[in-house]
Amino acid sequence: DAGVTQSPTHLIKTRGQQVTLRCSPKSGHDTVSWYQQALGQGPQFIFQYYEEEERQRGNFPDRFSGHQFPNYSSELNVNALLLGDSALYLCASSQPGLAANEQFFGPGTRLTVL
Amino acid sequence: GEDVEQSLFLSVREGDSSVINCTYTDSSSTYLYWYKQEPGAGLQLLTYIFSNMDMKQDQRLTVLLNKKDKHLSLRIADTQTGDSAIYFCAPAQDDYKLSFGAGTTVTVRA
Repeated sequence: DAGVTQSPTHLIKTRGQQVTLRCSPKSGHDTVSWYQQALGQGPQFIFQYYEEEERQRGNFPDRFSGHQFPNYSSELNVNALLLGDSALYLCASSQPGLAANEQFFGPGTRLTVL
Repeated sequence: GEDVEQSLFLSVREGDSSVINCTYTDSSSTYLYWYKQEPGAGLQLLTYIFSNMDMKQDQRLTVLLNKKDKHLSLRIADTQTGDSAIYFCAPAQDDYKLSFGAGTTVTVRA
């Protein structure tokens, strides 16, 4: 059973550029959440996608946008990159209604903005 | 929003028990989770507790919840070197938005 996968593993961009990160949920899961983890901090909720719609959003600017595809995979897009966007971006999948609604995380994408 | 506080560091001798404490502010959290993160890796779900429970035991892990004081703890019995990692408690808001603190770095010494 494949877990949550993310690509790419690492990415280096310069300020002002745009980036797209990808996530495939765990088999049987239809909900994808994105989190940003800055160095030395805990993850911060960006947003969640369910049925191809953004269901809830954290305190992040509109430069952060996302998409969910019919196969439940998801993309996170960040425009006009800032140095402060350097972080580990984590994707988590879940299946609402199952047991304790656990969220399972992928290995993350390490984004460095120069 | 939800605030989650944990002590930053814990050092424990191999074979002893570890206790990691967490306080949170949102009393409406239905589920409260514990995650483990090893260097350079994603988060591994360890266990969870429902808000209507006081205690849950899962092999070497024991979770205690004091809902009145909004205090959660994770006890790891017989701590091993492989337990060295960062541990996060994560209450769920609206049943799906996880809130994290800065985590507790556990170091297991021989």
